[in-house]
Amino acid sequence: AQSVTQPDIHITVSEGASLELRCNYSYGATPYLFWYVQSPGQGLQLLLKYFSGDTLVQGIKGFEAEFKRSQSSFNLRKPSVHWSDAAEYFCAVGAKGLNTGTASKLTFGTGTRLQVTL
Amino acid sequence: DAMVIQNPRYQVTQFGKPVTLSCSQTLNHNVMYWYQQKSSQAPKLLFHYYDKDFNNEADTPDNFQSRRPNTSFCFLDIRSPGLGDAAMYLCATSRENGKNYWGAYEQYFGPGTRLTVT
Repeated sequence: AQSVTQPDIHITVSEGASLELRCNYSYGATPYLFWYVQSPGQGLQLLLKYFSGDTLVQGIKGFEAEFKRSQSSFNLRKPSVHWSDAAEYFCAVGAKGLNTGTASKLTFGTGTRLQVTL
Repeated sequence: DAMVIQNPRYQVTQFGKPVTLSCSQTLNHNVMYWYQQKSSQAPKLLFHYYDKDFNNEADTPDNFQSRRPNTSFCFLDIRSPGLGDAAMYLCATSRENGKNYWGAYEQYFGPGTRLTVT
């Protein structure tokens, strides 16, 4: 079964500093990988996704992520963090539905809470 | 804009009193998911509809039911809420076409309904 590990529960960075959030996945086939962001009391917003091709993917809000198959990682990065980036970040891996009539599913990591200091 | 809408945003119910949460979508997606998310945890999939086919997760309590009267709407019914059911409930949608294509894995989330049980 697929799984996602986000080793950092909580990260604090200063505004303007660079950011890297770690994500490791376990999946038998080519993974479909996602990063979502969740602001307090809100739903999840898709930041970026990886399906195939270029291993460095660009997302919204200036985020990027790099897929490294040899390390089973899909780390999220941003060169300069803004105070508005403070939120919970979830990494997820997609898996196809096993049977006819079942949809693809996402397995989420436990999330990393980002705090930004001014 | 096409979107996923959840009503109400906040719901307070009494212990044991049935409650229904609503989700609607204008994306015309054929898959709708319900997740439960407790504080500082990852979203946990309860069940999903693939068209009219209902798919329950193995560990979803019988207390949770769902209805999908048409493509646009999906309801989550909690028959006898307990204190442990207090959580954020997230609705999400995706489009499946019976093939393994990237769009099937991309889920669009609503803002969530925060359920309080007193």
